[in-house]
Amino acid sequence: ETGVTQSPTHLIKTRGQQVTLRCSSQSGHNTVSWYQQALGQGPQFIFQYYREEENGRGNFPPRFSGLQFPNYSSELNVNALELDDSALYLCASSLASRPEETQYFGPGTRLLVL
Amino acid sequence: LAKTTQPISMDSYEGQEVNITCSHNNIATNDYITWYQQFPSQGPRFIIQGYKTKVTNEVASLFIPADRKSSTLSLPRVSLSDTAVYYCLVGDKDTGRRALTFGSGTRLQVQP
Repeated sequence: ETGVTQSPTHLIKTRGQQVTLRCSSQSGHNTVSWYQQALGQGPQFIFQYYREEENGRGNFPPRFSGLQFPNYSSELNVNALELDDSALYLCASSLASRPEETQYFGPGTRLLVL
Repeated sequence: LAKTTQPISMDSYEGQEVNITCSHNNIATNDYITWYQQFPSQGPRFIIQGYKTKVTNEVASLFIPADRKSSTLSLPRVSLSDTAVYYCLVGDKDTGRRALTFGSGTRLQVQP
């Protein structure tokens, strides 16, 4: 167990809706990253938050947004859902934002967009 | 952006040693090499990390030659529970970005 939890485990939405996914990091971890993993592919970086500020972003449109809170929890929000947003969404926490820092992943939220 | 190349899949039998080689020709001087393991419908799990030569922990060894253009993850005496996807990653030094850049990974199938 990594000590990183995510909710919900599964979610079904329809195209055009909005969704909020939640992550609880390990205590003391000031960095959280979010990844999208389509079936059969490796995780793709969405963005990272360090001390409640966005610290880097991958190739995802602005309708993907996030928040990080002082209590080591964070959110991923996706607006105007599209069918291609169906994927496993993973959050990962770490002690610092250096690339070599070990990231601890949660079990993920499986999102299905119909 | 450093890019990694790994075999798409490998097959092995229980009790054998498995070596998965990753190519990273454009690795930067300060990049570390990290391996993650992922089971279906779970998040990736850190296995091992190294910078040069050899690193060993309780689950694996990582061999890195002097030029650091490749690395080999060695899993001793695999069991059925080692069936998973294994990802090799190197650091991404793009300004303002501290992501882990995953490739497609190597799908290891361990047979009885």
